[in-house]
Amino acid sequence: ETGVTQSPTHLIKTRGQQVTLRCSSQSGHNTVSWYQQALGQGPQFIFQYYREEENGRGNFPPRFSGLQFPNYSSELNVNALELDDSALYLCASSTQTSDVLEQYFGPGTRLTVT
Amino acid sequence: AQTVTQSQPEMSVQEAETVTLSCTYDTSESDYYLFWYKQPPSRQMILVIRQEAYKQQNATENRFSVNFQKAAKSFSLKISDSQLGDAAMYFCAYRDGNQFYFGTGTSLTVIP
Repeated sequence: ETGVTQSPTHLIKTRGQQVTLRCSSQSGHNTVSWYQQALGQGPQFIFQYYREEENGRGNFPPRFSGLQFPNYSSELNVNALELDDSALYLCASSTQTSDVLEQYFGPGTRLTVT
Repeated sequence: AQTVTQSQPEMSVQEAETVTLSCTYDTSESDYYLFWYKQPPSRQMILVIRQEAYKQQNATENRFSVNFQKAAKSFSLKISDSQLGDAAMYFCAYRDGNQFYFGTGTSLTVIP
C-alpha cells in the first residue's frame, strides 16, 4: 500500500453527465498527478497540481479540470461525459523536493460511461 | 513528443527462471529518468526500479535489474528467479519534467 487513496472505487455515469473523482495524497507529498488508463493501455497524463496550481497538462480537452486543496488532496472533474471517457483514473502523489520525482499511485477509480 | 514502446504485449516465464521485458523510447534529451512499474490485478501501480540517464551503471533492486542502452534508447527489465507474485502488468515509463510517459504494458504470466 502506498498511502494514496481514491474514491469512489467504481462509478457508472451516463453520457453528458458530470463526474468528480477524489484523491488523498500520501503524507508529506505536495504534488498530485492524474492519469487516464483505458482498457489495455498504459496510463495517459491528464494534468498535475502542485501547491494548488496546475503545473502541467497533457493532451486532454478543457472539460477535464481539477483542483488541489490546502491539505494537498485533489479532485478530477470531467464535464459532458463521453463514452470514450470510460477508463481507470489513477492519481499519483509525489514531492517536488525530490529530484527524482518518484510517484506513488492510488488504486484508481473505474469510471464507466453508458 | 516522447514515446515509449513495449513490443511484447504478453510474456510468460517458468517459476524460478529469468525473463526479460523490452522497452524502447524516443527522446532528444540527454538527461532524464526511466522507470519500470508493476500493476498487479489489484490495480495499484508500484515502482519496481528506476534509472537515471546520466548514470552508466545499470540499476539493480534485488531480483530486478535493468539493461540501459542510452545510445540505442533501450531500457529492458530482467526479473531473475521469477516468483508467482511477479505476475502482473509491467509498464515502462519515461519522465520529462513533471510528466510521465508510459508504454502500453507487458502482461507477465508466471507458470508454476
